[in-house]
Amino acid sequence: NAGVTQTPKFQVLKTGQSMTLQCAQDMNHNSMYWYRQDPGMGLRLIYYSASEGTTDKGEVPNGYNVSRLNKREFSLRLESAAPSQTSVYFCASSDSDRMNTEAFFGQGTRLTVV
Amino acid sequence: AQSVTQLDSHVSVSEGTPVLLRCNYSSSYSPSLFWYVQHPNKGLQLLLKYTSAATLVKGINGFEAEFKKSETSFHLTKPSAHMSDAAEYFCVVRPTGNQFYFGTGTSLTVIP
Repeated sequence: NAGVTQTPKFQVLKTGQSMTLQCAQDMNHNSMYWYRQDPGMGLRLIYYSASEGTTDKGEVPNGYNVSRLNKREFSLRLESAAPSQTSVYFCASSDSDRMNTEAFFGQGTRLTVV
Repeated sequence: AQSVTQLDSHVSVSEGTPVLLRCNYSSSYSPSLFWYVQHPNKGLQLLLKYTSAATLVKGINGFEAEFKKSETSFHLTKPSAHMSDAAEYFCVVRPTGNQFYFGTGTSLTVIP
């Protein structure tokens, strides 16, 4: 049971380049999330998807786009990377139809924008 | 509005002594509450969760947390710290619905 799988694990981009972070879960969860983690700030929600075909902005959506490709996959795209987007990105999923269930996290993508 | 406050950004304890990591939350509803642990360069692992079944919740690796509604607190404790407990700990609240709200984290150092 792989859980939540993110690719790539590491990436270095030049300012202005674009890239897509991939995330897939095999737990049949309806909700998926993208967070960024910066020192001293915890995890901040970028976007989330409550179900296939829907996406909503979180706390820090500027500079990002997302696609919920199907129930399993939720991708995060940086169209024009900026140094301020240097961070560790985590994808998560949860079975939000059930009360009191936790979120399951991928191993993270460490992104550096130079 | 929902928020989570972790009262200490850094905690240092000696190996074998008790651990206390403090968390206060605000929520308009009766929330679900969680503690996650993150070891260096790793993902987040669930330690324990409160789901209204019992106010004292036991988790993995000897950790416990007590939900106190009157104090809006969910502090994490462990009777005896181990070197392997050194990590970042996050308190998380899920009020209702889909979203999870994270505290800013507490870094635990265990001194041999």
